[in-house]
Amino acid sequence: DQQVKQNSPSLSVQEGRISILNCDYTNSMFDYFLWYKKYPAEGPTFLISISSIKDKNEDGRFTVFLNKSAKHLSLHIVPSQPGDSAVYFCAASRSSNTGKLIFGQGTTLQVKP
Amino acid sequence: DVKVTQSSRYLVKRTGEKVFLECVQDMDHENMFWYRQDPGLGLRLIYFSYDVKMKEKGDIPEGYSVSREKKERFSLILESASTNQTSMYLCASSSPQGSVGKLFFGSGTQLSVL
Repeated sequence: DQQVKQNSPSLSVQEGRISILNCDYTNSMFDYFLWYKKYPAEGPTFLISISSIKDKNEDGRFTVFLNKSAKHLSLHIVPSQPGDSAVYFCAASRSSNTGKLIFGQGTTLQVKP
Repeated sequence: DVKVTQSSRYLVKRTGEKVFLECVQDMDHENMFWYRQDPGLGLRLIYFSYDVKMKEKGDIPEGYSVSREKKERFSLILESASTNQTSMYLCASSSPQGSVGKLFFGSGTQLSVL
């Protein structure tokens, strides 16, 4: 029973273009959503988050969009850079359980020079 | 910088062995977590702890136990290792005063059970 799903295992984009990573969830009790980035041989690092009271949060080149009615969130990276090549995990939380996250399967992003 | 250190990068063990995975954090965080990462499954929570000597089961606790005798140290124990426990194990910590869901991860331990 996968409560958080990333249906695209991989994505390849050209440097300078937009990368869009998608994530769907099933549990309407989730009220906080996060994206983590993972390079090989390193642990995941926090990238950006969004509360369910918002529909957009932006941090530099990274923007997360939340569509609660569709139970869908997406991460936009503009412009994409080769250093963005990594595995991206979306995660969801009920804010009452700080730190207890449910993760998606991950999407491997390759940004080609 | 927050540092979460896992004692081993790679481990190879035999079926039936008792295995200890150690994790230490240096930021005085109250919360500590053990996840495992498997291809196609993402990260799954095994156990977590919100305080010393306190532990709670995550989503996949079967076959595992944990110990938290000191605030900075959280150990994962495989009582009798099995081949289906071959995985990447990730330790994380966080502060309840910090951003919701913002975890700091170690680099991981790749465990192979033969």
